[in-house]
Amino acid sequence: AQSVTQLDSQVPVFEEAPVELRCNYSSSVSVYLFWYVQYPNQGLQLLLKYLSGSTLVESINGFEAEFNKSQTSFHLRKPSVHISDTAEYFCAVNTGGFKTIFGAGTRLFVKA
Amino acid sequence: GAGVSQSPRYKVAKRGQDVALRCDPISGHVSLFWYQQALGQGPEFLTYFQNEAQLDKSGLPSDRFFAERPEGSVSTLKIQRTQQEDSAVYLCASSSFGVGGQGPGDTEAFFGQGTRLTVV
Repeated sequence: AQSVTQLDSQVPVFEEAPVELRCNYSSSVSVYLFWYVQYPNQGLQLLLKYLSGSTLVESINGFEAEFNKSQTSFHLRKPSVHISDTAEYFCAVNTGGFKTIFGAGTRLFVKA
Repeated sequence: GAGVSQSPRYKVAKRGQDVALRCDPISGHVSLFWYQQALGQGPEFLTYFQNEAQLDKSGLPSDRFFAERPEGSVSTLKIQRTQQEDSAVYLCASSSFGVGGQGPGDTEAFFGQGTRLTVV
């Protein structure tokens, strides 16, 4: 069975500082990996995804994540965060079927 | 509509009461998912529809939970004899799987804002 572990429940960071949100997964088969973001009072939105090919994937708002198969990780990074990045971030894994397994989420809090 | 719409946004039910939660997916989306999100947790899969067919209901926690999508568009999640442990946010998502040969696993799912159910 697949599982996803997000190692940090909350990450406080100052504006313009770099941030890394950690995600590890377990699976015995090939996976698709996702990061979703949930802004206050909004639904989950896809931030970026890894399906195949290049292990480094990027979003339109400056986030990136790297698939590391040997470490079974898919950490999310941004070199300089903004106040508007304050949200909850969910890492998720799918093996091609109907179920997507989500982590418990990491709340990113960007301080001025 | 432009996105996935869920109603009601908030529901307070007395223990033992039946509830029905509605999901209007994005028009034309073949796939529809229901998830349950407990406080402080990530979404957990409940069930999956492809058009009107319920292809996976392995995540439904008990036989008190029932979902339907009779015409392949709007879906309803019904919970009978609600219990306090049913308190959670229920999320609906839809995706265009079925178009262009994409599988359900790699196709972006669009989520609604959810229905927050509180059982008192």
